[in-house]
Amino acid sequence: GQSLEQPSEVTAVEGAIVQINCTYQTSGFYGLSWYQQHDGGAPTFLSYNALDGLEETGRFSSFLSRSDSYGYLLLQELQMKDSASYFCAVRAMDSSYKLIFGSGTRLLVRP
Amino acid sequence: GAVVSQHPSWVICKSGTSVKIECRSLDFQATTMFWYRQFPKQSLMLMATSNEGSKATYEQGVEKDKFLINHASLTLSTLTVTSAHPEDSSFYICSARTGAGYQETQYFGPGTRLLVL
Repeated sequence: GQSLEQPSEVTAVEGAIVQINCTYQTSGFYGLSWYQQHDGGAPTFLSYNALDGLEETGRFSSFLSRSDSYGYLLLQELQMKDSASYFCAVRAMDSSYKLIFGSGTRLLVRP
Repeated sequence: GAVVSQHPSWVICKSGTSVKIECRSLDFQATTMFWYRQFPKQSLMLMATSNEGSKATYEQGVEKDKFLINHASLTLSTLTVTSAHPEDSSFYICSARTGAGYQETQYFGPGTRLLVL
């Protein structure tokens, strides 16, 4: 089976940097994705790591280390609007293409 | 970018009735669509994988006779919650797959909030 663990909650102040970790147990996967979800909304795609290393997209960066079964999402210059839930997800390596989501991390950005 | 719509966005129904939720890919063809359910403050749980022209594949523990899925075209999948009960109240989200291999991406619909009284 596959499982992804994340911290349940993280709190940070506006303008700061925060890292949300994701550790996983999976027999194989195409890559690690990150999604943002505001309360009452649908998940929106943030980033995708197919290979080890760091991917940067504006204020957000994501990192993957397959050897450590570990990845993280880094949010810089935090803004109040970044308060949301963040999910890591892996795509199954079988023909189903289904996404398996992590438990989710609720980020609260304080003034 | 790719857009996925869901209809309705909100539905309130009486216990015992059936509710149909539509998921449409507006500007691309989606061979595969996925249906998720999310309870408050929890993660998304995959219910089923829907492939155009074939039967849906349900995840373990999901009753296929209760959650009927039809994927009649490359742009439309429907989820029908039959004989809904209060415990079926949840946020139902669909996603549509595009691309292949490492370029494959899923785009999510805005979700449908179901309240069964």
